[in-house]
Amino acid sequence: QQQVKQSPQSLIVQKGGISIINCAYENTAFDYFPWYQQFPGKGPALLIAIRPDVSEKKEGRFTISFNKSAKQFSLHIMDSQPGDSATYFCAASTGGGNKLTFGTGTQLKVEL
Amino acid sequence: ETGVTQTPRHLVMGMTNKKSLKCEQHLGHNAMYWYKQSAKKPLELMFVYNFKEQTENNSVPSRFSPECPNSSHLFLHLHTLQPEDSALYLCASSPQRGRGEAFFGQGTRLTVV
Repeated sequence: QQQVKQSPQSLIVQKGGISIINCAYENTAFDYFPWYQQFPGKGPALLIAIRPDVSEKKEGRFTISFNKSAKQFSLHIMDSQPGDSATYFCAASTGGGNKLTFGTGTQLKVEL
Repeated sequence: ETGVTQTPRHLVMGMTNKKSLKCEQHLGHNAMYWYKQSAKKPLELMFVYNFKEQTENNSVPSRFSPECPNSSHLFLHLHTLQPEDSALYLCASSPQRGRGEAFFGQGTRLTVV
């Protein structure tokens, strides 16, 4: 049973465009929702995270939107750049912690 | 660099071999984790150690044997693996189990032949 469903599997965006990646979860006990960015040959790195007491969090060009009633959250990358090309993973955990349940990942390519 | 170092970066082993993966963190964290990353699948949490004690084993086959001699080092001992065990094995650490950002190493790419 996959507890965190992520879509799309891959995404191509033009430079300057908006990249949107969506995740849905089932476990209502989840209370910490991080997004990780992974470049080839590297481990995942925390990009941005949100807790369910807020509906949106923004850090630079990266925004998480959170819909608790729908049990969905999404990552928006504004003004996408070629350097953003990477695989993005959503994740969720309980107790605000690091026993993370990951989505399957979205491979983003930003084209010039 | 994230402060979490894994060696070796690449490993090819036969099904009858015994090998070990090593992870070292220089962040002063107390919790360490092993994850398995396979193509087209979510990262799978394998083991969790908190203050050197194993606190979680997610139904991992006994051919994978973790060891945590201290809070800075974590090993994954491998024996009689199967080809389907080929994957990227990632180590992570965090200040405590369940608290703080998890920092990942670069992983060991394991191929079982």
